[in-house]
Amino acid sequence: AQSVTQPDIHITVSEGASLELRCNYSYGATPYLFWYVQSPGQGLQLLLKYFSGDTLVQGIKGFEAEFKRSQSSFNLRKPSVHWSDAAEYFCAVGANQAGTALIFGKGTTLSVSS
Amino acid sequence: SAVISQKPSRDICQRGTSLTIQCQVDSQVTMMFWYRQQPGQSLTLIATANQGSEATYESGFVIDKFPISRPNLTFSTLTVSNMSPEDSSIYLCSVGRTANTGELFFGEGSRLTVL
Repeated sequence: AQSVTQPDIHITVSEGASLELRCNYSYGATPYLFWYVQSPGQGLQLLLKYFSGDTLVQGIKGFEAEFKRSQSSFNLRKPSVHWSDAAEYFCAVGANQAGTALIFGKGTTLSVSS
Repeated sequence: SAVISQKPSRDICQRGTSLTIQCQVDSQVTMMFWYRQQPGQSLTLIATANQGSEATYESGFVIDKFPISRPNLTFSTLTVSNMSPEDSSIYLCSVGRTANTGELFFGEGSRLTVL
């Protein structure tokens, strides 16, 4: 069955510290992988995506993610967290086909301490 | 990117009533998706809506409870019927473009509270 696992429900990071949010997926074929961010009261914004090529992908707001096929992982990283990064982060997986629905993980809530 | 407008943005409803959520996209899209996000939870796909055909519902969701219309390539509605407090959620409309790499664009959602 297709699924996405985000092992960490809640993470607190000090402002300026580095961040890594974990994502593991189970998918029968080569997947499309995504990270979305949802700020309080806001819709979902796409941070970055992987569909082929270089396994290290860069996104908006200084985020990056690395696709590791051998580990079925797509972890999100940021070298220095800002207070404005506090939000809910969702990893998602989809078929290697445009216009199909995505399956979302349960999300990780990021808190940033000063 | 697509611009997606949802109405209403939020509403408070009484038990037993029905509410229709509208989703308008700024360009033509083949597929539209409706998701539900219960409080503190992730997004769960309710159904896929293609223009000109009946919506395809995911396990656990039925047409009688969540009827969907898709009259054209830029518009869809989701009705939440005979609401109960368990239906209190954010309902999100999303679209994907055939020319892109599979990402979905989301509206800001409709937050429903059922009393």
